[in-house]
Amino acid sequence: DTAVSQTPKYLVTQMGNDKSIKCEQNLGHDTMYWYKQDSKKFLKIMFSYNNKELIINETVPNRFSPKSPDKAHLNLHINSLELGDSAVYFCASSQDLGRMAFFGQGTRLTVV
Amino acid sequence: GDSVTQMEGPVTLSEEAFLTINCTYTATGYPSLFWYVQYPGEGLQLLLKATKADDKGSNKGFEATYRKETTSFHLEKGSVQVSDSAVYFCALGETSGSRLTFGEGTQLTVNP
Repeated sequence: DTAVSQTPKYLVTQMGNDKSIKCEQNLGHDTMYWYKQDSKKFLKIMFSYNNKELIINETVPNRFSPKSPDKAHLNLHINSLELGDSAVYFCASSQDLGRMAFFGQGTRLTVV
Repeated sequence: GDSVTQMEGPVTLSEEAFLTINCTYTATGYPSLFWYVQYPGEGLQLLLKATKADDKGSNKGFEATYRKETTSFHLEKGSVQVSDSAVYFCALGETSGSRLTFGEGTQLTVNP
């Protein structure tokens, strides 16, 4: 079983559309994260949730909205997609905040 | 705030060469330190970790020692293989426990 799974793996969509990326972890962890990796491989944290509560909300446009229906899931919804949103988005989880994190395989989002 | 600085890449080596990837950090308190590896087209995997000063993390022939006096966590391997070609990320788990902070990543290519 995959510890942290994201769907879809690839997502190609037009500017202006709304899309969601789903993430699930079966590790029993309390904390989940979304990271964005740009074309230069730079990783930047976007959000983190601890026990379904938003802990970190970096300077991310309001078009990005995380949703955590339960501890095992953290979905990312993006409204009005822009070209600059093209990147690889990684979901991760850890037992505690700031501790060893397990990453999903990533979702490559391409906005055309 | 806390930060991580890695040596700039890309790094290209011949098989069986010695590898060092430098990582230094700035942090308050006593952070945990990690090295993650990202193979082409995949998510990040934890390679090794160290949770306190003078700890040595090791895995798959890679080693890194947590040096508080020099605020460093350099990654080393005595003899690299073609299969080690990947992007390597140094990361810091903040003492406040709020997040993992990543370095810029170093692309390693090992030629046969």
